[in-house]
Amino acid sequence: DTGVSQNPRHKITKRGQNVTFRCDPISEHNRLYWYRQTLGQGPEFLTYFQNEAQLEKSRLLSDRFSAERPKGSFSTLEIQRTEQGDSAMYLCASSLGRGGTYNEQFFGPGTRLTVL
Amino acid sequence: GNSVTQMEGPVTLSEEAFLTINCTYTATGYPSLFWYVQYPGEGLQLLLKATKADDKGSNKGFEATYRKETTSFHLEKGSVQVSDSAVYFCALSQDSSYKLIFGSGTRLLVRP
Repeated sequence: DTGVSQNPRHKITKRGQNVTFRCDPISEHNRLYWYRQTLGQGPEFLTYFQNEAQLEKSRLLSDRFSAERPKGSFSTLEIQRTEQGDSAMYLCASSLGRGGTYNEQFFGPGTRLTVL
Repeated sequence: GNSVTQMEGPVTLSEEAFLTINCTYTATGYPSLFWYVQYPGEGLQLLLKATKADDKGSNKGFEATYRKETTSFHLEKGSVQVSDSAVYFCALSQDSSYKLIFGSGTRLLVRP
């Protein structure tokens, strides 16, 4: 299967700890997106990369959040000093990002974070 | 700012019933519009899309028409099946980032 993969699928942590999630996009997809989804809500955009460049960050992405895509392939999302309000499903999506037109975003299964 | 509003669920229907899930949007200009579906235990999947006014997106028996005059993109299906039970999300995309702005989702439950 060559879809978008995310690890871990579930993470339980205590308030104040740091956590890191990984996303492996579909091979050759230039764009990579991070979204956050809380219970009963739709996903909310956090940030996106074109290759290794982080081109936009939502105001939802506080200073405690940092995302990287060092070689334009996989990406990591780190949350420092987690808070209970960070509990959510973190979704990753990738797309071809070519041609100046919309390319379908393919979503991974998500990482569910629970902060105790 | 841009936003999407969809009808609250859950929507419960009997098999072979007609489905409508309402979606309206707020945006400047001409966004692209999408319906995504999330089946139990699976990731989000694109169901259909429309990129300009009066376009009709269709897939798997589902249809939605981009109505600029009413800023709507309602999802319809003539005869639902139990396997259509899922959460449906309406979304828009407008700028060069192609980031998606989602509605809150509508859960559909189809009973045999």
